[in-house]
Amino acid sequence: GAVVSQHPSRVICKSGTSVKIECRSLDFQATTMFWYRQFPKQSLMLMATSNEGSKATYEQGVEKDKFLINHASLTLSTLTVTSAHPEDSSFYICSARARQGARNYGYTFGSGTRLTVV
Amino acid sequence: DAKTTQPTSMDCAEGRAANLPCNHSTISGNEYVYWYRQIHSQGPQYIIHGLKNNETNEMASLIITEDRKSSTLILPHATLRDTAVYYCIVPQPSGGTSYGKLTFGQGTILTVHP
Repeated sequence: GAVVSQHPSRVICKSGTSVKIECRSLDFQATTMFWYRQFPKQSLMLMATSNEGSKATYEQGVEKDKFLINHASLTLSTLTVTSAHPEDSSFYICSARARQGARNYGYTFGSGTRLTVV
Repeated sequence: DAKTTQPTSMDCAEGRAANLPCNHSTISGNEYVYWYRQIHSQGPQYIIHGLKNNETNEMASLIITEDRKSSTLILPHATLRDTAVYYCIVPQPSGGTSYGKLTFGQGTILTVHP
């Protein structure tokens, strides 16, 4: 089945530094990837949608200059949290969607990244 | 997205069937219904999806009403490991700027007890 690998699973960083999270589709090509954020006891909130080779589309209220998304290939998207602050501490999850016509045309999620900013 | 409504929480005894309802009365003809679940501190796990016919796989069955305004996810023999938050989602169709994104509601907290 479709597998999405997300790294790191857990990261602690100092306030003011940047953190990069990787999301890879291992056995399929993902034309579209989605990035979510989840705070404790809350549901997943969509942050942005990225398509390979084009700029990401950000949801309302999400700062594009703070959350940099790069989708350079059909198997890799990265989310960089720039100048992280404690309020950015959260569980970040990526999702990849296979290209239409592929055997698996669905949504597969990574295992998430727990970011703690101290 | 077509708005979905689910009960906040449900309980189920181990070994019994868990029936999780979802209302999606504003669903349009070409929109699928997806079910995912999330176990604490993990990424959502795909369960099943369907358009209009009932579907079954190794994890669950999905019953969609004829008018497609509601559906029920059935876990035939619930185990303790099925305790999770279950999300019923109707993604926006791809096209324009929506890219078929999944928007999560609050889901149903299913607790399976011994």
